[in-house]
Amino acid sequence: DSGVTQTPKHLITATGQRVTLRCSPRSGDLSVYWYQQSLDQGLQFLIQYYNGEERAKGNILERFSAQQFPDLHSELNLSSLELGDSALYFCASSSGQLNTDTQYFGPGTRLTVL
Amino acid sequence: AQTVTQSQPEMSVQEAETVTLSCTYDTSESNYYLFWYKQPPSRQMILVIRQEAYKQQNATENRFSVNFQKAAKSFSLKISDSQLGDTAMYFCAFMKIQGAQKLVFGQGTRLTINP
Repeated sequence: DSGVTQTPKHLITATGQRVTLRCSPRSGDLSVYWYQQSLDQGLQFLIQYYNGEERAKGNILERFSAQQFPDLHSELNLSSLELGDSALYFCASSSGQLNTDTQYFGPGTRLTVL
Repeated sequence: AQTVTQSQPEMSVQEAETVTLSCTYDTSESNYYLFWYKQPPSRQMILVIRQEAYKQQNATENRFSVNFQKAAKSFSLKISDSQLGDTAMYFCAFMKIQGAQKLVFGQGTRLTINP
């Protein structure tokens, strides 16, 4: 158990809908990262937050957004869903301190868009 | 931009054998981290081992060790005395120290340990 929690484990929805994925980092970690794992794209970095502020952005679609709250949990919002958004979405957390920064992953949320 | 390449899509060995997974990367950074993550059928991403680029000594964690060749930009993972529980996808990942600390992953190697 990495100490990172993600809810829900599975999500099935229809095209055009909006969903929210939730992540709680390990105790004491300030950084949260979101990754998407799909068959055709592999594991791709989406976005990073550090202590409530956006720190880095990757290949995140405009239909996707995220935030990190004062209690450090994070949410990833996916809207106007398309079939191609079906994937495993991982959250990872790290201390945010340079030279010690290993990312620990949550169990993932499997999103299926029908 | 950094890229990570794993040239072996699949490997299969017998239990108790030693297996080496290959990884090469491309970067202009001088300081960075390299990781191996394991993804068993449960789909959980589990950290196996980490290497700091400034360290000459190769990292070791129990049966897992790496061969880090900085000049060649090579980072292979050796699993000794392989066990059935080692069956998983293995991902090599790169992370630079300065700037965006995102992980850049290779495409993965599917490792099967046979009884």
